[in-house]
Amino acid sequence: EPEVTQTPSHQVTQMGQEVILRCVPISNHLYFYWYRQILGQKVEFLVSFYNNEISEKSEIFDDQFSVERPDGSNFTLKIRSTKLEDSAMYFCASTSGGQGNYGYTFGSGTRLTVV
Amino acid sequence: QKEVEQDPGPLSVPEGAIVSLNCTYSNSAFQYFMWYRQYSRKGPELLMYTYSSGNKEDGRFTAQVDKSSKYISLFIRDSQPSDSATYLCAMSAQTGANNLFFGTGTRLTVIP
Repeated sequence: EPEVTQTPSHQVTQMGQEVILRCVPISNHLYFYWYRQILGQKVEFLVSFYNNEISEKSEIFDDQFSVERPDGSNFTLKIRSTKLEDSAMYFCASTSGGQGNYGYTFGSGTRLTVV
Repeated sequence: QKEVEQDPGPLSVPEGAIVSLNCTYSNSAFQYFMWYRQYSRKGPELLMYTYSSGNKEDGRFTAQVDKSSKYISLFIRDSQPSDSATYLCAMSAQTGANNLFFGTGTRLTVIP
């Protein structure tokens, strides 16, 4: 069964450093997402991406965050200057978004720890 | 105002029991409803999705949506220890670009 692949599975970084989280969505999917889950809290939407541009973003997704699809297969989330409160599980998801198909597939996540 | 509310549990049941998990929501624009299962430190795994009101059955799982009450349910029949996980409800107004709104998740333990 097709999977969404995320790397790395765990990243530890110092406060103020830049991190890039990587995702390979399912190949025929058209819509891509980043979500995050702070330990013990809800899964929260960060950003959606379609047709090579951001289609929607949440209040969490401020100027420190950016997304990119550099080569037609990878989908990245960059945090420019990490803060302690950025520590969370970050999940990439994708969906084809077609008629009658609204199953989002999530990756296993990257656990980001900011120290 | 919370968009989606879900009892976090924890919920413990004996093996073979019928499990009922529920969510309520406030946004009448929601049309797509999903249930995800999440194991510890893993990504959510899609179990069921339904559009608008009605029932959908898949093996031991049944999803119900009552839009008039803004209430959705997931039933698990003949529960197994392998069903022990956190169950998340999620919903959106439209497929594609719109984001999902998640409940907090209900932690379920099925005791052998």
